[in-house]
Amino acid sequence: ETGVTQTPRHLVMGMTNKKSLKCEQHLGHNAMYWYKQSAKKPLELMFVYNFKEQTENNSVPSRFSPECPNSSHLFLHLHTLQPEDSALYLCASSQDANEKLFFGSGTQLSVL
Amino acid sequence: GESVGLHLPTLSVQEGDNSIINCAYSNSASDYFIWYKQESGKGPQFIIDIRSNMDKRQGQRVTVLLNKTVKHLSLQIAATQPGDSAVYFCAENNHRNAGGTSYGKLTFGQGTILTVHP
Repeated sequence: ETGVTQTPRHLVMGMTNKKSLKCEQHLGHNAMYWYKQSAKKPLELMFVYNFKEQTENNSVPSRFSPECPNSSHLFLHLHTLQPEDSALYLCASSQDANEKLFFGSGTQLSVL
Repeated sequence: GESVGLHLPTLSVQEGDNSIINCAYSNSASDYFIWYKQESGKGPQFIIDIRSNMDKRQGQRVTVLLNKTVKHLSLQIAATQPGDSAVYFCAENNHRNAGGTSYGKLTFGQGTILTVHP
């Protein structure tokens, strides 16, 4: 248990569906992240939030919409996804200005 | 060592042997490095980190070596156990915010698959 909890663990959705991924951290960290992990590729940073403010959008398509209501919760809203968006989506948190990231177990997403 | 490509580097060892996993990084300005371990069905798990003002750092059964001259990082695992079987990533921090301090945006390597045979 890393202190970062992601739900659901698995998600299958059609291209016209709307779904949301949820992340919660119990570590008292101030920064939260979304990463995408595709097979045989390095982790790709998607979004960064620091003190609930988005500080990084790494050229992510608008069909991915993050939301950070407070420092402990992070959502990723999904809409009109493509099959190539199928991947493991990882949430992470870190103490402000602390580079050490703590990851959740991820949501394995399949888009049909 | 790690490289971009279709196939992850692999390392197979016998239980009890020492393992060495290598990583080459590209940015000479990187000042912080981390090794992560990722088991099947789990997220990456922090193993050990090192800052650029150090050449070596030891943890429990693990040692990280940093050679800034050739931009090379290695992870040594002593007395490797079957539970060490996983994908190992190196990560470097080479981003700085406006204040000049490292913020936490890591660049990850592709990973090395370690398989430990009983």
